[in-house]
Amino acid sequence: EAGVAQSPRYKIIEKRQSVAFWCNPISGHATLYWYQQILGQGPKLLIQFQNNGVVDDSQLPKDRFSAERLKGVDSTLKIQPAKLEDSAVYLCASRPNSDYGNTIYFGEGSWLTVV
Amino acid sequence: DAKTTQPPSMDCAEGRAANLPCNHSTISGNEYVYWYRQIHSQGPQYIIHGLKNNETNEMASLIITEDRKSSTLILPHATLRDTAVYYCIVRVARNQGGKLIFGQGTELSVKP
Repeated sequence: EAGVAQSPRYKIIEKRQSVAFWCNPISGHATLYWYQQILGQGPKLLIQFQNNGVVDDSQLPKDRFSAERLKGVDSTLKIQPAKLEDSAVYLCASRPNSDYGNTIYFGEGSWLTVV
Repeated sequence: DAKTTQPPSMDCAEGRAANLPCNHSTISGNEYVYWYRQIHSQGPQYIIHGLKNNETNEMASLIITEDRKSSTLILPHATLRDTAVYYCIVRVARNQGGKLIFGQGTELSVKP
């Protein structure tokens, strides 16, 4: 079974530029998460989707971050304009929705450096 | 906020059992305990989870106390490849989205 796919793997941009990250979850997984992980810290949830609807975006900095999952499959996370403090790993995760006990699986992450 | 408390770091000798403790004194009756680990530059990897009973799989064992206020992850024969940050997580209840809220984790160093 293929895992959670993310791209690009690495990205370096200048502050005030924009960047987009793409995630393709495991086939059939209805729930999709985006996490931000700053170096030395645990991952922090940014947004959770159930199919193409947003379940929780309370921690998403909406003035500069946006995310969508238009067809309920793959998802895009965008940052515009980027700040230095956005340097982090952006992790996508997914799980089947049929059972609360189902495992959440993570991708390898997209590493962002803002200079 | 994370509901768990873990020691920031631990050492273990290769071939010995690694016992990683976790406190979760405010856990609710319908919340699961999950363990993930993260090897440098990789995404978190699922290890094991449990509700009330002890659990075992091919990677590890999970021991949950009877009052469910703490748990221990056991890696029976640690290898150098088990060096990683281990996260103990109380998963938010289903009616709140079932998300994982990570803490700081325990950095396990397995030494030869």
